[in-house]
Parts: sequence; C-alpha cells; structure tokens
Amino acid sequence: GAVVSQHPSRVICKSGTSVKIECRSLDFQATTMFWYRQFPKQSLMLMATSNEGSKATYEQGVEKDKFLINHASLTLSTLTVTSAHPEDSSFYICSGGQGLNEQFFGPGTRLTVL
Amino acid sequence: QKEVEQNSGPLSVPEGAIASLNCTYSDRGSQSFFWYRQYSGKSPELIMSIYSNGDKEDGRFTAQLNKASQYVSLLIRDSQPSDSATYLCAVNDDYKLSFGAGTTVTVRA
Repeated sequence: GAVVSQHPSRVICKSGTSVKIECRSLDFQATTMFWYRQFPKQSLMLMATSNEGSKATYEQGVEKDKFLINHASLTLSTLTVTSAHPEDSSFYICSGGQGLNEQFFGPGTRLTVL
Repeated sequence: QKEVEQNSGPLSVPEGAIASLNCTYSDRGSQSFFWYRQYSGKSPELIMSIYSNGDKEDGRFTAQLNKASQYVSLLIRDSQPSDSATYLCAVNDDYKLSFGAGTTVTVRA
C-alpha cells in the first residue's frame, strides 16, 4: 500500500501554544488528504478534508480558526492546532486518498496539552 | 453522514479459530467497502477492500459483500494472537469514508 508519514509522532506542549503537524504522502500524490481525531476507546472522527491548492472543508462542529489546515502541495498537508488547551489532547491522524476512495493512514501524532 | 454499524465486541476467539466480523451500512448507493485493522495506540492499517458482491480472499482474510442486504463481513481464519486488534469497517461517503465504531478482537493463545 501507499505510505504516509506524519511528524512529529508525539508532542507535549503548554496550554495556549500552537502546534503544527505535518502529513506527507511519500510514494504517491494525494490530491485529497483527510485529518482525523481519535479519543481513547472511540472511533475515528473526521475533522476536515484538505485539497491541494484550495481551502479545507471542515466537518460540522470543528472550528476552522482553531484547526488550521494547509495543503500546499500534492504530497504535503499541515494541521496547526492554535492556542491549544488540555481538551485538544488527542491522537491526530492524517490520511491520503488514492483512487476509489482508498485511504492510507499516517502513523498518527499524539498531542498532550498540559 | 452515512451510518455504519458493526457487531458489538469485544470478540474473543481461541488461537486457530475463525473470527467473524459483521458490518451493515445505511446507504444502498455505497460502492466501496474497506476493512482496517488498528492496534492499540497505532493508526489504522488497510487490510481489505471490496467493491463487488461476493467473496474476496487475501491470505487468511476473506471479505464478503452483499449489497442487496447492505452487509459486509470479514472472516479471519486460523486466528493468531497477532490478530488481536480493533477492526474498523469503512464505507465510501462521496469522497470521504464513514467508519463504524470498530470491533475489538482478542485471540486467546
């Protein structure tokens, strides 16, 4: 399958700071990338869909000014959690699409906000 | 968002047995169906995709799709302790995927 990387894998930050997470498709061009959040013992929750060169589409209830998404190229999308608070602590996972709606997931970023 | 329901777990099976996972979906127009495996603390990994009615086999895994019944299943034959994970059923929802809540499988040695 296709390979998606994420960086960093784990981040701990103080409340009020911003955190940037990078998602890269290593061996394919992902015209669409997806950002998910997963709380312990819960399923994936889609936050937003990112298309190269255009604004992201956010799911209902997700604050677009808090979760900034940039998809600058066909292989890179970034998620910035602005003014992070403890309730933003979660497992953030990106995925890239490759035809027929298959999605390949990155390894995830575990964010802890103190 | 389309609804995807999975049989409630957890599912415990002895090593070497068959684990059977079920999934139903609400939109009759869905075309693409996927099974992902997620180990604790890790991200999901695609293990099977199926698009046509019938069975699709890949090693010890068999996916079964019945569009008339809006039902997709996953069989794991000769279950191994390494198969212990949460299995997520996913169905296409336009350009997105709708996920079930997942079924946690534990294979007892």
